[in-house]
Amino acid sequence: GQQLNQSPQSMFIQEGEDVSMNCTSSSIFNTWLWYKQDPGEGPVLLIALYKAGELTSNGRLTAQFGITRKDSFLNISASIPSDVGIYFCAGQLLRDDKIIFGKGTRLHILP
Amino acid sequence: DAGITQSPRYKITETGRQVTLMCHQTWSHSYMFWYRQDLGHGLRLIYYSAAADITDKGEVPDGYVVSRSKTENFPLTLESATRSQTSVYFCASSESTAGYGYTFGSGTRLTVV
Repeated sequence: GQQLNQSPQSMFIQEGEDVSMNCTSSSIFNTWLWYKQDPGEGPVLLIALYKAGELTSNGRLTAQFGITRKDSFLNISASIPSDVGIYFCAGQLLRDDKIIFGKGTRLHILP
Repeated sequence: DAGITQSPRYKITETGRQVTLMCHQTWSHSYMFWYRQDLGHGLRLIYYSAAADITDKGEVPDGYVVSRSKTENFPLTLESATRSQTSVYFCASSESTAGYGYTFGSGTRLTVV
């Protein structure tokens, strides 16, 4: 089946650092989504992207829809302890009524 | 309360038993989904439904059964539980097309012993 390659798989950073993660695929997507999952909870939508080249921010989070429509990036600026969790990218393929998820990036923040 | 709720939150069952996980949403969303989350695999789609009485298989449907007689409910049944079905199960709903993003429940942690 279709796959999204999400990297890195995990990250250990210091509080205050900026974070970058990305998702790539060999397929073309018409929507990219970024979710965050807190421990013991379901994923929550952070940012949705609908057009190639689109750059969207949500507070300290910024995500971009790649020009090729095959990738997306999420940046977190000035990380804080509550940023800990698993970040999932997800994409909707053209002419499909469901989305597929990457395997997630687990973010750890060192004290 | 408005939202999407899953029950039970935790479940331990024995191999071979039938178990049903419940999912209820109050938004009248057309689309509902069941995922399982396992370490190293992320979220994998089990079954989904585009409307009442319409269901379709996802990536990992074997060993699972779903039904959707009412728009708001989408139960997932493990007909004969196996240890490989030990996982965290998430239900999600979406208002129209998947492009708007899904709203997830809090999950059911199922252990098969």
